[in-house]
Amino acid sequence: KNQVEQSPQSLIILEGKNCTLQCNYTVSPFSNLRWYKQDTGRGPVSLTIMTFSENTKSNGRYTATLDADTKQSSLHITASQLSDSASYICVVSGASGGSYIPTFGRGTSLIVHP
Amino acid sequence: DGGITQSPKYLFRKEGQNVTLSCEQNLNHDAMYWYRQDPGQGLRLIYYSQIVNDFQKGDIAEGYSVSREKKESFPLTVTSAQKNPTAFYLCASSIVGRSTSGTQETQYFGPGTRLLVL
Repeated sequence: KNQVEQSPQSLIILEGKNCTLQCNYTVSPFSNLRWYKQDTGRGPVSLTIMTFSENTKSNGRYTATLDADTKQSSLHITASQLSDSASYICVVSGASGGSYIPTFGRGTSLIVHP
Repeated sequence: DGGITQSPKYLFRKEGQNVTLSCEQNLNHDAMYWYRQDPGQGLRLIYYSQIVNDFQKGDIAEGYSVSREKKESFPLTVTSAQKNPTAFYLCASSIVGRSTSGTQETQYFGPGTRLLVL
């Protein structure tokens, strides 16, 4: 069964500090992996998307890494800001018969304190 | 202004009542999806459609119905058969793009509808 596991479940950091969120998956065959940011009561917004041949991708202060061999990904946030407080969701899509149905992780809830 | 919209933002349902959630996109995307989000859980797929007049059940389709008569619209009906409908409902659309590094499916989400039972 396709699964996406994220850790930690929640994280509290001080403003200005760095943090790293983890994502492990068992989706096969693998198509792509995405990280989303979801503010409370809003729809998720895409941060990065990576295919099997990409092992790092950056979007401003967000840097995602992918190890397709170990089926692990991480999202590193540099110099955190109060606005980074949100849920971060890892999504892995598998390809099957032309369809790309994603599997969602439960998310990591990040709180940035001043 | 391109995007994906959902309405209403909040919806109240009485016992035994069917309600319909709206989802519209002007991104010219072929695929559209409906997800349900409960506290502490990942998004769960209810229904998806990859082309007009065709749709497929997701993991938790029981108690829900959809239609896809137009490319831009994918309404979700929560029927009285859904015994625990209170949740945050998210609609998404996607286009499949191909680059030299592989296949990328960029999925865009609407702002969500929160459904509450009276």
